[in-house]
Amino acid sequence: DGGITQSPKYLFRKEGQNVTLSCEQNLNHDAMYWYRQDPGQGLRLIYYSQIVNDFQKGDIAEGYSVSREKKESFPLTVTSAQKNPTAFYLCASSSWDITEAFFGQGTRLTVV
Amino acid sequence: QKEVEQDPGPLSVPEGAIVSLNCTYSNSAFQYFMWYRQYSRKGPELLMYTYSSGNKEDGRFTAQVDKSSKYISLFIRDSQPSDSATYLCAMRDSSASKIIFGSGTRLSIRP
Repeated sequence: DGGITQSPKYLFRKEGQNVTLSCEQNLNHDAMYWYRQDPGQGLRLIYYSQIVNDFQKGDIAEGYSVSREKKESFPLTVTSAQKNPTAFYLCASSSWDITEAFFGQGTRLTVV
Repeated sequence: QKEVEQDPGPLSVPEGAIVSLNCTYSNSAFQYFMWYRQYSRKGPELLMYTYSSGNKEDGRFTAQVDKSSKYISLFIRDSQPSDSATYLCAMRDSSASKIIFGSGTRLSIRP
């Protein structure tokens, strides 16, 4: 089945530690995105990538980093510099003409 | 002012009612409009996708775009308890690679 896989579904980390969230897609999509969702709020764009080895900052990139070494994969690292990392993180992808985007099931990160 | 405004609700209606969900936007360059449904603790799923102005129907769902008013709507006919979810509007223009989302409307259908 084609789709977007995010792992893990739940993640707990201690404050001050970096953590990497995985996102893999087998839809052959060129563009991939990371969003953050806080309770009662919409989706805020962290980073996006239109092609391999290239990515751009979104609206709230501070404290996050990404890589795009393969078309299928777009991992997100939440660094210790991110002041409020506890949130629901969503990965999405879309085709080259970037019409609609399709989402993974999300990773809920809790930092204690 | 946000680029996309959406009433957060919550909106509660009885089963079988017609539901109207709306978004307004400020960027006249937006041409692609989407509606997503998100159940609690799940990723959003695409419901409807519309290009430019006009209506699009898919089963019980109708998406409507009025570019002159910068206003989009999603209508749900014969609403069911399983329609209870958060509905997010999203849009982009032809050149930008970002998709801008509304904050979402929480909908509850009472049996």
